[in-house]
Amino acid sequence: QQQVKQSPQSLIVQKGGISIINCAYENTAFDYFPWYQQFPGKGPALLIAIRPDVSEKKEGRFTISFNKSAKQFSLHIMDSQPGDSATYFCAASVSTGGYQKVTFGTGTKLQVIP
Amino acid sequence: DGGITQSPKYLFRKEGQNVTLSCEQNLNHDAMYWYRQDPGQGLRLIYYSQIVNDFQKGDIAEGYSVSREKKESFPLTVTSAQKNPTAFYLCASSRTVMNTEAFFGQGTRLTVV
Repeated sequence: QQQVKQSPQSLIVQKGGISIINCAYENTAFDYFPWYQQFPGKGPALLIAIRPDVSEKKEGRFTISFNKSAKQFSLHIMDSQPGDSATYFCAASVSTGGYQKVTFGTGTKLQVIP
Repeated sequence: DGGITQSPKYLFRKEGQNVTLSCEQNLNHDAMYWYRQDPGQGLRLIYYSQIVNDFQKGDIAEGYSVSREKKESFPLTVTSAQKNPTAFYLCASSRTVMNTEAFFGQGTRLTVV
């Protein structure tokens, strides 16, 4: 029940196109859904995050869409650029046992080709 | 520059040896974490610490040990009891354990030879 399922595993998008990464969860107690961006050999960095009382959040070219009833959320990258090429992790967290437990998806390797 | 520093970036260990990975932060964060990352898997929590001299096991603590003697430092020891230690190890911190935003270091790639 603590799993977060992420798809696709890898994605190739042309420059200027839209990249879409999907995640699904089971635990309805999750109350925070961040997305992390990781470049090769580096640690992940928080990209954008959403709480379940909001259906969409946009920051620049990055948008999270959240469907609470379907227990799904997705990351859309508009006007994808070669510099967006990285691995993206969705995550979901819940307060449990006195700390914020974070469960990560398995990651999506995005390649944006010129 | 504020941030999290992990060292070394690459580490090689012979089977049967213990090895310690360093993690230092100057963000004045109370909470620190160690994650393990394997290809095709999400990050898995090894240990976390919410305050000096306190730490708790995460999901995959077997074969690992930690200490938190200073607020800034949270070293991870990979012991010989860890059966499959080759992985990318990430240290992170947050203001408190209830804070949702974590900041990550650049990672240490450990290879057992």
